[in-house]
Amino acid sequence: DTAVSQTPKYLVTQMGNDKSIKCEQNLGHDTMYWYKQDSKKFLKIMFSYNNKELIINETVPNRFSPKSPDKAHLNLHINSLELGDSAVYFCASSPVRAREKLFFGSGTQLSVL
Amino acid sequence: ILNVEQSPQSLHVQEGDSTNFTCSFPSSNFYALHWYRWETAKSPEALFVMTLNGDEKKKGRISATLNTKEGYSYLYIKGSQPEDSATYLCAFIGQGAQKLVFGQGTRLTINP
Repeated sequence: DTAVSQTPKYLVTQMGNDKSIKCEQNLGHDTMYWYKQDSKKFLKIMFSYNNKELIINETVPNRFSPKSPDKAHLNLHINSLELGDSAVYFCASSPVRAREKLFFGSGTQLSVL
Repeated sequence: ILNVEQSPQSLHVQEGDSTNFTCSFPSSNFYALHWYRWETAKSPEALFVMTLNGDEKKKGRISATLNTKEGYSYLYIKGSQPEDSATYLCAFIGQGAQKLVFGQGTRLTINP
C-alpha cells in the first residue's frame, strides 16, 4: 500500500488552464505539505495543513490554492497556469508538523505549454 | 534568510570506497536536522532525524553525526555500492519554527 499517493504523476497542459493535483496519505498523520522543486532543484515549501488547518502559507501566487477536505487529503488547485509553473510538485505528510520525518509522494511533473 | 548548505554539490566515488559529505546549518536556535535519500525518478526517503548535539545515527552502511554548536552534520557511506547512487538532502528546522528548510543536496554517483 502506498503511504502517500499523489495523482497524476504527469500533467501536461496549456497555459491559462486550471488544474488540480490530488494527494492522499494513509498513515494517519496530522500534517500534510506541498513542496515545489524549483529550477535549481531545491525543495521549497508552499503550504502545510495540520488537521485541516492551514499553518504554512509561503509566498506563492494566489493562483495556487490548497484544499484539505479531511486530514488524509491535501489537494492543490492551480488557476490560470503559466509557463513558469512548470516544475515537479511533491506532497508529503508527517506525524507532528516537521518534528518527525516526512513521507513524500512520488511527485507530479507539471509541464505548461 | 535561513541558509542550509550542502557540499559538495556532486560527488563521484568508486564502488567499494567510503565517502562523506557535509550539511551546514545555523548554529543558533536548533531543533532538528533531517537527512533524506532521493533516488532519480523516486520520492525522497527519510534516513535520519537528529535532535541532540553529538548524536550519531546509523542505518546499515550509512551513518550521520551532528554538531549543533558549530552547525554541521556529516553523512558517511561505508563501502559504497551502485545502489547508493542518489541525491542526499539535509533539512533544518529551528526552535519554534514550523517548516523544514532543505539544502540543495549532494548528488552521489557510484562508479562500478
